[in-house]
Amino acid sequence: GENVEQHPSTLSVQEGDSAVIKCTYSDSASNYFPWYKQELGKRPQLIIDIRSNVGEKKDQRIAVTLNKTAKHFSLHITETQPEDSAVYFCAASLSNQINTGTASKLTFGTGTRLQVTL
Amino acid sequence: EAQVTQNPRYLITVTGKKLTVTCSQNMNHEYMSWYRQDPGLGLRQIYYSMNVEVTDKGDVPEGYKVSRKEKRNFPLILESPSPNQTSLYFCASRLAAGTNTEAFFGQGTRLTVV
Repeated sequence: GENVEQHPSTLSVQEGDSAVIKCTYSDSASNYFPWYKQELGKRPQLIIDIRSNVGEKKDQRIAVTLNKTAKHFSLHITETQPEDSAVYFCAASLSNQINTGTASKLTFGTGTRLQVTL
Repeated sequence: EAQVTQNPRYLITVTGKKLTVTCSQNMNHEYMSWYRQDPGLGLRQIYYSMNVEVTDKGDVPEGYKVSRKEKRNFPLILESPSPNQTSLYFCASRLAAGTNTEAFFGQGTRLTVV
């Protein structure tokens, strides 16, 4: 099955600096890569996702890049703010196996705790 | 408001006492799943359901059961809880199997088994 590794496990940056979180996946057939943000005591929520036919996607201060050849994808947060402090999870999914046991399974990384200091 | 609702939010129980965590979604989603979150291990899938009466094991199904009698509800059952099932549990739903769509999570249930 799919295996997703995520690094680093903790990351501390100063306000205004950039933060980068990296993930690698094992199944070359995976074609959907979402990122979730989990604030303290809250549920995970989707912040950005990318599909395998795209190399980069940007949404304001957040961007995600995908390298299919190397099987890794990264989350980039620019101009970090205190409210960016949270745990971030990457995930990988395969969606072309409808009606099989593996359809739609999201395999998550182990998470990165980002702390933005003033 | 589109949402996934779990109950209870917090639960302390004793070893061996059967319990059920409820999950309900109002988005008419076909695909639902349960995850447990443990420090350093991320979110691991326990069970999933592709539609009514269709359920299957995820990565860590031992000690858990589920049912899907209605589209909106997907309860997690621990028939004989043990301390190693102390964890934070999340229910999640997605539009349908085979679609690259957002997973919506419930508020979480923090379970302690003593």
